[in-house]
Amino acid sequence: KAGVTQTPRYLIKTRGQQVTLSCSPISGHRSVSWYQQTPGQGLQFLFEYFSETQRNKGNFPGRFSGRQFSNSRSEMNVSTLELGDSALYLCASSLGPQGANNEQFFGPGTRLTVL
Amino acid sequence: AQSVTQLGSHVSVSEGALVLLRCNYSSSVPPYLFWYVQYPNQGLQLLLKYTTGATLVKGINGFEAEFKKSETSFHLTKPSAHMSDAAEYFCAVSASNNDMRFGAGTRLTVKP
Repeated sequence: KAGVTQTPRYLIKTRGQQVTLSCSPISGHRSVSWYQQTPGQGLQFLFEYFSETQRNKGNFPGRFSGRQFSNSRSEMNVSTLELGDSALYLCASSLGPQGANNEQFFGPGTRLTVL
Repeated sequence: AQSVTQLGSHVSVSEGALVLLRCNYSSSVPPYLFWYVQYPNQGLQLLLKYTTGATLVKGINGFEAEFKKSETSFHLTKPSAHMSDAAEYFCAVSASNNDMRFGAGTRLTVKP
């Protein structure tokens, strides 16, 4: 069974631009979560989508948004990029929603650099 | 809300020595606890998880962790470190209807 895939793997943008990252979960998984990983802040939860609905949201500004499609694929969008948005963005999928003992399977991440 | 604290951002051990990575959690309800490992330029991979039942949990690659409710701890151990164990390790806690919270991570270095 194919794992979680994320595209693109690397991205370079300039301040003020916007970016869209994509995540394809493991087949049959209905929950997709997004995390931002930086050396200073560690792994921070962005949001979770389950059955096309945003189920939980972390403490990030409204510039960060996401959606999930009927095939469970998910995208996240960051508008008006800032230097501090440079990070590794990780996507994780699971059979059921977070908050239970559902194991999350992580993709390799998208490395975003904002210049 | 739940949270985890990982004691020690960096741990260095010699090959063949005991690995001990510390994790303490806070949760107002019975938690689910996880340990993940991240190798360079990769995503996180589940090592083991505690849900209910046996408090000593065995995972992949010879790792195990013990859930101690009285100490609110879930420390990760491995009897004998291998060079391939060098990576970053994350402890995480999850509770009913809440998102998973990760610790800050512990970078493990294994010296030959």
